Amino acid sequence: KAGVTQTPRYLIKTRGQQVTLSCSPISGHRSVSWYQQTPGQGLQFLFEYFSETQRNKGNFPGRFSGRQFSNSRSEMNVSTLELGDSALYLCASRAGTGELFFGEGSRLTVL
Amino acid sequence: AQSVSQHNHHVILSEAASLELGCNYSYGGTVNLFWYVQYPGQHLQLLLKYFSGDPLVKGIKGFEAEFIKSKFSFNLRKPSVQWSDTAEYFCAVNQRGGADGLTFGKGTHLIIQP
Repeated sequence: KAGVTQTPRYLIKTRGQQVTLSCSPISGHRSVSWYQQTPGQGLQFLFEYFSETQRNKGNFPGRFSGRQFSNSRSEMNVSTLELGDSALYLCASRAGTGELFFGEGSRLTVL
Repeated sequence: AQSVSQHNHHVILSEAASLELGCNYSYGGTVNLFWYVQYPGQHLQLLLKYFSGDPLVKGIKGFEAEFIKSKFSFNLRKPSVQWSDTAEYFCAVNQRGGADGLTFGKGTHLIIQP
């Protein structure tokens, strides 16, 4: 069974640009959530999607947004990038048991 | 708001030593509890989880954790660590039956010296 797939794995952007990250969950998993991991703040919840609907959102500004498609794939977008947005962005898909399976992440560097 | 506190940010042990990593959470309702591990260069992996039932849960690679409701704690233990246990360990919690995401602790960086 394939795991959670995130693309791209690495990317570099400059301040003010926007970025879109993609996540394909484990086949059969309908819930996808996103997390930001930084050395200072650790792992922080961004949002979760289920059946194309956002179910919950963490404490992040409106520049961070996401969506989920009918095939459960999800994208997150960060607009007007700031230096502080440099982080590892993790996607997780949720099994029916409630367990989360994480992808390897997309490492974003903002210059 | 939920919060998770991991007492030790860095732990250094010798092989064969016993391990206990502390985790306390702050939440008034019923929770699910998790320990995740992140080996160098790898993705987060689930070590073990507690949803209900026996408060002593066993996970992969010889790890176990005990849920003590009265202390709001979920400490991770291993009787004899190996060099390959060097990793970052995260405790996490979410509301049982809820749709919210996981709240993670800041993590404990464990280094096992051969």
